[in-house]
Amino acid sequence: EAQVTQNPRYLITVTGKKLTVTCSQNMNHEYMSWYRQDPGLGLRQIYYSMNVEVTDKGDVPEGYKVSRKEKRNFPLILESPSPNQTSLYFCASSARGYEQYFGPGTRLTVT
Amino acid sequence: GQNIDQPTEMTATEGAIVQINCTYQTSGFNGLFWYQQHAGEAPTFLSYNVLDGLEEKGRFSSFLSRSKGYSYLLLKELQMKDSASYLCAARPYQKVTFGTGTKLQVIP
Repeated sequence: EAQVTQNPRYLITVTGKKLTVTCSQNMNHEYMSWYRQDPGLGLRQIYYSMNVEVTDKGDVPEGYKVSRKEKRNFPLILESPSPNQTSLYFCASSARGYEQYFGPGTRLTVT
Repeated sequence: GQNIDQPTEMTATEGAIVQINCTYQTSGFNGLFWYQQHAGEAPTFLSYNVLDGLEEKGRFSSFLSRSKGYSYLLLKELQMKDSASYLCAARPYQKVTFGTGTKLQVIP
């Protein structure tokens, strides 16, 4: 089954404790992206990747890092999480930037 | 920069037709997407327009006018399950910018 998976689905952590949210797709898509979704602000793009070893900033990259060492994986790293990064996070992938397939979401709470 | 506007909420009656508008201003343009998102779920793709005109897919149609920076999503024969948020997204080059979404409530 074609899908995008994210782990964990839910995470509660404390300020400053490094964390990684994993994202994996099995569709051989070149394009992958991370978004955060907050009430009233909609989906905002954090980082995107056009292919292996090619990443670029979206609209809200501050406080986040990504890497794309393999085509199928695109982890999101929060080196020092802060409460303002409490949000719902979605990973997505697509072939050549067309329709995106979204993962199920990761609900992160930073206290 | 990028700016996308769409109404925050709409209400329509089961069986009716509803049009959700989206206006955008982007520094480049590589297409306009519509996604549907039910509460608590991930967005799912509905349509993609890159050229002017109407694209029809069953009960859903999407229209684009690049010169006016305008798109709409038309939903026909509304069903209760169409109650969801509808997200307009523009793709200036390789970034993707989403509007804040239109929450549609379908009432009996």
